[in-house]
Amino acid sequence: AQKVTQAQTEISVVEKEDVTLDCVYETRDTTYYLFWYKQPPSGELVFLIRRNSFDEQNEISGRYSWNFQKSTSSFNFTITASQVVDSAVYFCALRSGTYKYIFGTGTRLKVLA
Amino acid sequence: AAGVIQSPRHLIKEKRETATLKCYPIPRHDTVYWYQQGPGQDPQFLISFYEKMQSDKGSIPDRFSAQQFSDYHSELNMSSLELGDSALYFCASSSGTGATEAFFGQGTRLTVV
Repeated sequence: AQKVTQAQTEISVVEKEDVTLDCVYETRDTTYYLFWYKQPPSGELVFLIRRNSFDEQNEISGRYSWNFQKSTSSFNFTITASQVVDSAVYFCALRSGTYKYIFGTGTRLKVLA
Repeated sequence: AAGVIQSPRHLIKEKRETATLKCYPIPRHDTVYWYQQGPGQDPQFLISFYEKMQSDKGSIPDRFSAQQFSDYHSELNMSSLELGDSALYFCASSSGTGATEAFFGQGTRLTVV
């Protein structure tokens, strides 16, 4: 079975703090793809990053960084020096062997000024 | 850059009526996905099409049907609407199989009264 778990329902931080969003996935496939999407209050789903199962290189892009660890089936997302505009619901998603993306339940991030 | 276009953006229907949602994928994208997102919920996969053929099916009610046309646009037809069908409906598109991210439209907010 394929499953994505985001145990953190809601996180509140003060502006400029660092915050990490956790994602744990399950799949029996050896080839799979992981994604993070952001859903701001306006409602659209915005693609942030994709990782392939055979690429464990972690990445930093501006204030965003991602930590992919196959050994623990985790794909965590960190925002450094958070800003109010980062307030949104963040979804982790998995795609493996099918034409569909399986989403976690999302983590609502509130960044307080 | 061109994005996924959905129409209409908002739709109000009465119970037992029919609704048709339209989706225009990003040019040269060959796969279309439909998702339903209830309030405070994660996006739930309904159905997908690859090269105009149904490629995967999720928890789509029998009252719903969808198709992808020769110009790659897709339509989701919903009949005998129920109050529980009120949700945000997303269409997404991607190019190729597996290794690419899906880009989502802004969604159609359906309200059934």
